[in-house]
Amino acid sequence: DAMVIQNPRYQVTQFGKPVTLSCSQTLNHNVMYWYQQKSSQAPKLLFHYYDKDFNNEADTPDNFQSRRPNTSFCFLDIRSPGLGDAAMYLCATSRDPRATEQYFGPGTRLTVT
Amino acid sequence: AQKVTQAQTEISVVEKEDVTLDCVYETRDTTYYLFWYKQPPSGELVFLIRRNSFDEQNEISGRYSWNFQKSTSSFNFTITASQVVDSAVYFCALSEAHGGATNKLIFGTGTLLAVQP
Repeated sequence: DAMVIQNPRYQVTQFGKPVTLSCSQTLNHNVMYWYQQKSSQAPKLLFHYYDKDFNNEADTPDNFQSRRPNTSFCFLDIRSPGLGDAAMYLCATSRDPRATEQYFGPGTRLTVT
Repeated sequence: AQKVTQAQTEISVVEKEDVTLDCVYETRDTTYYLFWYKQPPSGELVFLIRRNSFDEQNEISGRYSWNFQKSTSSFNFTITASQVVDSAVYFCALSEAHGGATNKLIFGTGTLLAVQP
């Protein structure tokens, strides 16, 4: 019955080595979001897709990119991870942009060594 | 600008005690939505409740209750007879209805609730 799935749950990467985090959903929702949550902080929105339209937050570093090849999948690419990018990355979906409820996945905890 | 403040960083209670988590919000919009999410140690954000700005009725769901007061811009969350399984970080969040734009969640900084046996 999993609705928003994130793989892997734990990811270790080396400083500067590109890494990709994956999110898939079975809800057929039009909007997919990526949040970054650092330790003891609130989730921070990085960007979202409405269908194929990509919407970046103004303060999201260029190091972070995203791809959405189809409705079900969305990827977060970190081109050159730094130590400061170690965090929990949460994927969420909503039915449409006006929908107020977001459904979150379990998150991927990224460690940068 | 919109903002959510959760002044309580950490709360520790003993099982069976009642506990209230405070949430104060700021917004210039007349139409908005308020949420509470629970984040257990596993990391997943679990949706608990959504209220819209036109509905100030308090809500009770089992041991959980919510008190929404527009006059004080507060949306407080009470857990009655707390249990160890309630231990988690609780986030209050605000979403504004911006016409055709995507609704975005503005989170507070969270309150870590520790329920001791």
